[in-house]
Amino acid sequence: KNEVEQSPQNLTAQEGEFITINCSYSVGISALHWLQQHPGGGIVSLFMLSSGKKKHGRLIATINIQEKHSSLHITASHPRDSAVYICAVVSSNTGKLIFGQGTTLQVKP
Amino acid sequence: NAGVTQTPKFQVLKTGQSMTLQCAQDMNHNSMYWYRQDPGMGLRLIYYSASEGTTDKGEVPNGYNVSRLNKREFSLRLESAAPSQTSVYFCASSLSSGTGGFYEQYFGPGTRLTVT
Repeated sequence: KNEVEQSPQNLTAQEGEFITINCSYSVGISALHWLQQHPGGGIVSLFMLSSGKKKHGRLIATINIQEKHSSLHITASHPRDSAVYICAVVSSNTGKLIFGQGTTLQVKP
Repeated sequence: NAGVTQTPKFQVLKTGQSMTLQCAQDMNHNSMYWYRQDPGMGLRLIYYSASEGTTDKGEVPNGYNVSRLNKREFSLRLESAAPSQTSVYFCASSLSSGTGGFYEQYFGPGTRLTVT
């Protein structure tokens, strides 16, 4: 079993829909990252959080350390949000990042 | 600022050939990383350099060597390429001088390598 599991693996939504991507992990962590990989392959960092909630524009990330779970929400989704969203946790044991397999999101107009 | 640059963008090798992937960053970051990304798998750390002059193995170091040439540049060498090394390779950098998990990582555009 992977140490970082994302769900769903694939997601198709209509423009304007509210989207949730989930990340569950089984190791002790110090922090969690959400990354976005564009269709062209480039990867950018969206959030790093260790507790609570962060918001940037239409994106919201939450984390529940006790439940070992994080969610990434996209409000009023748009076709330009189509990308692979990657969850990565910082192992509290090694300090290194452990990556999930990614969630492929397609938003249709 | 160019951020993190990688060369080449694409490469095809025959089994047994060698090559070096180049990476440079202009953000004065201390730490640099090499990852590989394979279909159905998450990014996996090959090697990292927490600071200039140091390198350490990541999760999948076999078949690779690295050089931290200076603070800006971190190269990845395949001495004898194998088909199992067909992958997309990403270089990244971050401000920290540790393993980097607590700082935002900035990624290069990737190198798509095929070994036949």
